[in-house]
Amino acid sequence: DAKTTQPTSMDCAEGRAANLPCNHSTISGNEYVYWYRQIHSQGPQYIIHGLKNNETNEMASLIITEDRKSSTLILPHATLRDTAVYYCIAVREPGSARQLTFGSGTQLTVLP
Amino acid sequence: DTGVSQDPRHKITKRGQNVTFRCDPISEHNRLYWYRQTLGQGPEFLTYFQNEAQLEKSRLLSDRFSAERPKGSFSTLEIQRTEQGDSAMYLCASRPPFRQLNEKLFFGSGTQLSVL
Repeated sequence: DAKTTQPTSMDCAEGRAANLPCNHSTISGNEYVYWYRQIHSQGPQYIIHGLKNNETNEMASLIITEDRKSSTLILPHATLRDTAVYYCIAVREPGSARQLTFGSGTQLTVLP
Repeated sequence: DTGVSQDPRHKITKRGQNVTFRCDPISEHNRLYWYRQTLGQGPEFLTYFQNEAQLEKSRLLSDRFSAERPKGSFSTLEIQRTEQGDSAMYLCASRPPFRQLNEKLFFGSGTQLSVL
């Protein structure tokens, strides 16, 4: 699976959009981009995933560049409860038994 | 609450003791994973079960570690002769049978192990 690179930490004002970048310049054509987040003292929580097209669900939006070398997770109206570590993961063969490889993620702090 | 339960939430033990953790996945989930997480790092894969069969093990899973899922439902992770380096959060995750191309795992809240 391709390596992903994320900033170590970011701050965001409450109520504003939080834009979390992820670089995956070596991603291959059949690798998906998955995002999980981990709130303190809890296990990781799935947010969203995508392959080529932009995706949106009730939690967030995922914007993937046309060359697929980077992506951005957007939390449209961040709240204090969105403070967490956000992990961007490249996954080959979704649905297979392959384990997820987490990096160190981005610590997002939403400020009041 | 994801529906994945782990017990205990916290465990403090002395070096050299054995410890056992339990994970109860979501009932219809036939796939179960164990991960370990140390402070400031992302979770690291330890092992994977499909039903009762242990199909994959990480090199992190030394001989002192053993995992079981005897009836394809709950799972246990045992660490023998604990060492201080075993101090970590141990996370369990599950996912349903193969139905769609999705790597959506449901994680429990973990067991925090402290080895003194």
